[in-house]
Amino acid sequence: NAGVTQTPKFQVLKTGQSMTLQCAQDMNHNSMYWYRQDPGMGLRLIYYSASEGTTDKGEVPNGYNVSRLNKREFSLRLESAAPSQTSVYFCASSDTSGRGNEQFFGPGTRLTVL
Amino acid sequence: GEDVEQSLFLSVREGDSSVINCTYTDSSSTYLYWYKQEPGAGLQLLTYIFSNMDMKQDQRLTVLLNKKDKHLSLRIADTQTGDSAIYFCAESPRVGGYNKLIFGAGTRLAVHP
Repeated sequence: NAGVTQTPKFQVLKTGQSMTLQCAQDMNHNSMYWYRQDPGMGLRLIYYSASEGTTDKGEVPNGYNVSRLNKREFSLRLESAAPSQTSVYFCASSDTSGRGNEQFFGPGTRLTVL
Repeated sequence: GEDVEQSLFLSVREGDSSVINCTYTDSSSTYLYWYKQEPGAGLQLLTYIFSNMDMKQDQRLTVLLNKKDKHLSLRIADTQTGDSAIYFCAESPRVGGYNKLIFGAGTRLAVHP
């Protein structure tokens, strides 16, 4: 099992450009999440998808959109990137049958917006 | 409200014990977690404790939970250089159909010879 995979690993954008971050999991998990990690702030939830076909806003959704394409894939789109969106983005997945409802994280995408 | 606080930095000597502390606010969390992040990597679940337990031991790791004070700690015995990482405490209030995770800012553990 590859677990949770994310592409790309690194990306540099100019202000106003758009891009989509891809995430896929092969663990047959129902729930998937997008977080951003900023220095000294831990991880903050952007959007989540409790199950295929549903998505909901997290703490910091402004400037982002998501698509739960199927059970495996959950993408995050920046329509018009801003320097404040420079961050490391993590995708995660979970299932209630897991140990302690564990969330499994991908390796992250490091995004810089100039 | 939901908030998790932990100190940002801890330095220990190799072979000593490390204790990382955390306070949380949500008393409804079913589980409390410790995640580990190594440089350039995602987070990995290190251990977790069910909210009706006071203590959990897993090899070199001991988790203590004081529900009254909403205080969680992680003790790593015989700390090794490979334990150098950022450690995140997280609480898990249940929201709708999923377990939301609220993370602290992370404690950077530096292990020196």
